[in-house]
Amino acid sequence: GNSVTQMEGPVTLSEEAFLTINCTYTATGYPSLFWYVQYPGEGLQLLLKATKADDKGSNKGFEATYRKETTSFHLEKGSVQVSDSAVYFCALVSGTYKYIFGTGTRLKVLA
Amino acid sequence: GAGVSQSPSNKVTEKGKDVELRCDPISGHTALYWYRQSLGQGLEFLIYFQGNSAPDKSGLPSDRFSAERTGGSVSTLTIQRTQQEDSAVYLCASSDRGRAQETQYFGPGTRLLVL
Repeated sequence: GNSVTQMEGPVTLSEEAFLTINCTYTATGYPSLFWYVQYPGEGLQLLLKATKADDKGSNKGFEATYRKETTSFHLEKGSVQVSDSAVYFCALVSGTYKYIFGTGTRLKVLA
Repeated sequence: GAGVSQSPSNKVTEKGKDVELRCDPISGHTALYWYRQSLGQGLEFLIYFQGNSAPDKSGLPSDRFSAERTGGSVSTLTIQRTQQEDSAVYLCASSDRGRAQETQYFGPGTRLLVL
């Protein structure tokens, strides 16, 4: 079946460091891929998405490229800020409306 | 415009009591979803409503869980005879038409604690 695997956290970085959160997937068909972010005490917010291979989603300085050959959708940011501290979820949906989420990766950015 | 809203934001109840959780989707969205976010287990799909079609209840974990959507808008998730393992954050989402692979927009969630 379809699944999403994310790197385990927590990830702790200093401000202005480079961020990578790995996400790989298994899916039948042609999935759409998403990154959602959950700030402390808040619900999930869509961060970025990509709907086909080689698409790059970007938002708020974050980027992720849909790599079909490696079945990956890694999240990157060149310079993190304290305000980026949150839990990040990778998700996919393929041929249906049922999202499959990863378990989430907690990011903590220190000043 | 306004996003998905949920109430209450927090609910503490005693084991065996019934609870009702409410979701108000984005205006104009015809599809509504409920998910559960349990500690250490990620998010799991519970139920899906689309317009006047019969809901997809395939994710409901037991018959103690039920949901309805009145008038194609507001939805209520009811948990009867709550158990401690029901403690979780219950998230509601909505989307435009419920088509496959459509972007879903989430509410802030209801944090349920069963003592």
